[in-house]
Amino acid sequence: GAVVSQHPSWVICKSGTSVKIECRSLDFQATTMFWYRQFPKQSLMLMATSNEGSKATYEQGVEKDKFLINHASLTLSTLTVTSAHPEDSSFYICSAHGPKTNYGYTFGSGTRLTVV
Amino acid sequence: AQSVTQLDSQVPVFEEAPVELRCNYSSSVSVYLFWYVQYPNQGLQLLLKYLSGSTLVKGINGFEAEFNKSQTSFHLRKPSVHISDTAEYFCAVRQILTGGGNKLTFGTGTQLKVEL
Repeated sequence: GAVVSQHPSWVICKSGTSVKIECRSLDFQATTMFWYRQFPKQSLMLMATSNEGSKATYEQGVEKDKFLINHASLTLSTLTVTSAHPEDSSFYICSAHGPKTNYGYTFGSGTRLTVV
Repeated sequence: AQSVTQLDSQVPVFEEAPVELRCNYSSSVSVYLFWYVQYPNQGLQLLLKYLSGSTLVKGINGFEAEFNKSQTSFHLRKPSVHISDTAEYFCAVRQILTGGGNKLTFGTGTQLKVEL
């Protein structure tokens, strides 16, 4: 149980375009979803936390107008990178937490974004 | 705010040898601790977690960790490693936020490299 599906696994986009990444909890209700960014050979940096039906809470230094997060249902959260630029290229990972995860956090498989 | 420290950025070890990956946490009244493994270009997989109870926690793939309150440590161990254990390992602590939310804070990670 507690499976999180993240799509796409990789995406290449042109500078100036927007990219949407989806994160779905397949067999549990994710009351909270987290979005992380990971640079090569570094740890995970929390970008924002979203609770179902509420606005996301962004970490300090993360531009909320650039990284749009939607958590409209208990099983789906999306991260949209708007007007992407090469410096947005990174590995993005989502994580979900809910009543059935027993205080655990289940991670998606990540999305490798390359902006050219 | 709670934090975790992983002192070793890299740990080389020969196959079938024992290994210990160190993690220290900042002291708190109650603490939930986690170990995750990350293979290249993938998300994080939970190895084990400590919530309460027995201080020796057994996880998947033959890993175990011991919660030591007096030393504020949560070191990860495996008695005999395999080539397939080569990966990045992250220690994490759950933080309770004002307002009732929670989030994971990660250490900087330890690269375990198993050699023949």
